[in-house]
Amino acid sequence: GAVVSQHPSWVICKSGTSVKIECRSLDFQATTMFWYRQFPKQSLMLMATSNEGSKATYEQGVEKDKFLINHASLTLSTLTVTSAHPEDSSFYICSARGSLTRMNTEAFFGQGTRLTVV
Amino acid sequence: GQNIDQPTEMTATEGAIVQINCTYQTSGFNGLFWYQQHAGEAPTFLSYNVLDGLEEKGRFSSFLSRSKGYSYLLLKELQMKDSASYLCAVDGGATNKLIFGTGTLLAVQP
Repeated sequence: GAVVSQHPSWVICKSGTSVKIECRSLDFQATTMFWYRQFPKQSLMLMATSNEGSKATYEQGVEKDKFLINHASLTLSTLTVTSAHPEDSSFYICSARGSLTRMNTEAFFGQGTRLTVV
Repeated sequence: GQNIDQPTEMTATEGAIVQINCTYQTSGFNGLFWYQQHAGEAPTFLSYNVLDGLEEKGRFSSFLSRSKGYSYLLLKELQMKDSASYLCAVDGGATNKLIFGTGTLLAVQP
């Protein structure tokens, strides 16, 4: 399967600072990338959908000014958690879907980033 | 609205067969996915159904009935390593995004 690389895998930051998480599709062009967050023992909650070169579409209840998403190229999307607070501590996962016939079905996931805000 | 339901937890015995159900109500439909997720890790793809019927892949099979808004994942010859969360996800079609169900935490016991 295709490879999606997410970095960093874990990060600890102080309250009030910003954290950037990168998501790269290594061997295919990801037309669409998705950002999810997951709390312990819960399922994935979609935060936003980003298409290359356009503004991200945020799900209801997700603050777009707090969670900045940039999808500047077909292989890279970034999520920046601005002015992080302890309640932002969570597991953030990106996924990518491509535009080729085969890639148009399956979504490939990054390794996830565990963010802890202290 | 979008609604995808799965049982929260299930327990099964090593070597046995377990069926995990998923029901969905979505405004559009372009396929249903099953993913496996071990604690602290990213989900890994198991199966994809877009037409009615059964898809078999080794010890794992997935079934879909679009008219009933229903799918199940069947795991045979259970192994201890199958203990994980199993996520049902629907592609609503219009926006290419996957909406995940609540997930089912499966515990395989000796």
